[in-house]
Amino acid sequence: AQSVTQPDIHITVSEGASLELRCNYSYGATPYLFWYVQSPGQGLQLLLKYFSGDTLVQGIKGFEAEFKRSQSSFNLRKPSVHWSDAAEYFCAVGAWSGGYQKVTFGTGTKLQVIP
Amino acid sequence: DGGITQSPKYLFRKEGQNVTLSCEQNLNHDAMYWYRQDPGQGLRLIYYSQIVNDFQKGDIAEGYSVSREKKESFPLTVTSAQKNPTAFYLCATLPGRGVTGELFFGEGSRLTVL
Repeated sequence: AQSVTQPDIHITVSEGASLELRCNYSYGATPYLFWYVQSPGQGLQLLLKYFSGDTLVQGIKGFEAEFKRSQSSFNLRKPSVHWSDAAEYFCAVGAWSGGYQKVTFGTGTKLQVIP
Repeated sequence: DGGITQSPKYLFRKEGQNVTLSCEQNLNHDAMYWYRQDPGQGLRLIYYSQIVNDFQKGDIAEGYSVSREKKESFPLTVTSAQKNPTAFYLCATLPGRGVTGELFFGEGSRLTVL
């Protein structure tokens, strides 16, 4: 069974500073990896995804993530954070099981941006 | 507009009552999912369905039931057997049967048990 670990529950950064959110996954084969963002009381929006190919993935809103198989990681980065980036971020891993794609989420990292 | 509609957005229930959360999609997606979200626990899978009249239990199915009578609809019933039903519930879809892709989410329904 797959699993995802997001070790940071809460992160605070200054506006304009760089950001890195950590994600480690556990899965035996090549995983399908995702980062989602959620504003309070809302659904989740996809930031980016990795299925195969180039291990550096570009997403929306200036985010990128790098897949590192040797470290079982898929960390999310942004060079300069904006106040509107304050939200909760979820890493997820997808895998096929019994004909279904099952997606497992991490516990999330809440990002606070200070002026 | 194509999308996923969850209703109601807020729901209050007395203990011992069953409630049904609606999820309707007009994206023509095959697979539909229900997740439960609690603070600090991320999203946990309740049920999922890939075709009409077929669905599978997820990781926390106890106390919940679903049906998939139409491709567009995947209602979730929270029964009185669910010990701690207060949570935020999210419905999601995947585009195609057998096709790897990302989940599309509705706006969620918040259930509070009084």
